[in-house]
Amino acid sequence: GNSVTQMEGPVTLSEEAFLTINCTYTATGYPSLFWYVQYPGEGLQLLLKATKADDKGSNKGFEATYRKETTSFHLEKGSVQVSDSAVYFCALPAGGTSYGKLTFGQGTILTVHP
Amino acid sequence: EAQVTQNPRYLITVTGKKLTVTCSQNMNHEYMSWYRQDPGLGLRQIYYSMNVEVTDKGDVPEGYKVSRKEKRNFPLILESPSPNQTSLYFCASSLSNNAAWQGGETQYFGPGTRLLVL
Repeated sequence: GNSVTQMEGPVTLSEEAFLTINCTYTATGYPSLFWYVQYPGEGLQLLLKATKADDKGSNKGFEATYRKETTSFHLEKGSVQVSDSAVYFCALPAGGTSYGKLTFGQGTILTVHP
Repeated sequence: EAQVTQNPRYLITVTGKKLTVTCSQNMNHEYMSWYRQDPGLGLRQIYYSMNVEVTDKGDVPEGYKVSRKEKRNFPLILESPSPNQTSLYFCASSLSNNAAWQGGETQYFGPGTRLLVL
């Protein structure tokens, strides 16, 4: 099946700093790739997705580009805010006969200080 | 508002006392799933359902049961809870039950149920 390796944290930044969270994947074919975010005390929310190679997903100032050559989907934001403090998960379909299942990275805890 | 709801949000119980965690979605989604989230282990799928009356095991089904009698509801049942089932549980749903699911449907998650089994 497919798998994902995510940069582990925690990551601590000051407000307005640049953020990168690395994510690389192993997959059969070219599945969609996702970033989910989990704010404190809440469930996972879709942050952005990309459905094919070279696609760029973007939302709330976050971006990630589907790189087939490097099998990567790194999350970036140019200027983080305190409200971005959360856990970020890279994910993709598990593949094979795993109907509908997503495989998640371990999650990266981001803390942004004023 | 389109959403996945779970109840209860927090639950403390004792070993062996049967419990049910409810999950409901109002988006007419065909596919529903349960995950548990544990520190260091990430999110692992417990059971999933491709449609009414169609359920199957995920990665960690032991000690759990599910049912899908209606499209909108997918309860998780712990017949005899044990302390190793202490965890954060998430229900999720997506539109399609496409068996060739390589494209990747967006999954919508509930707010989570934090369970402590003493």
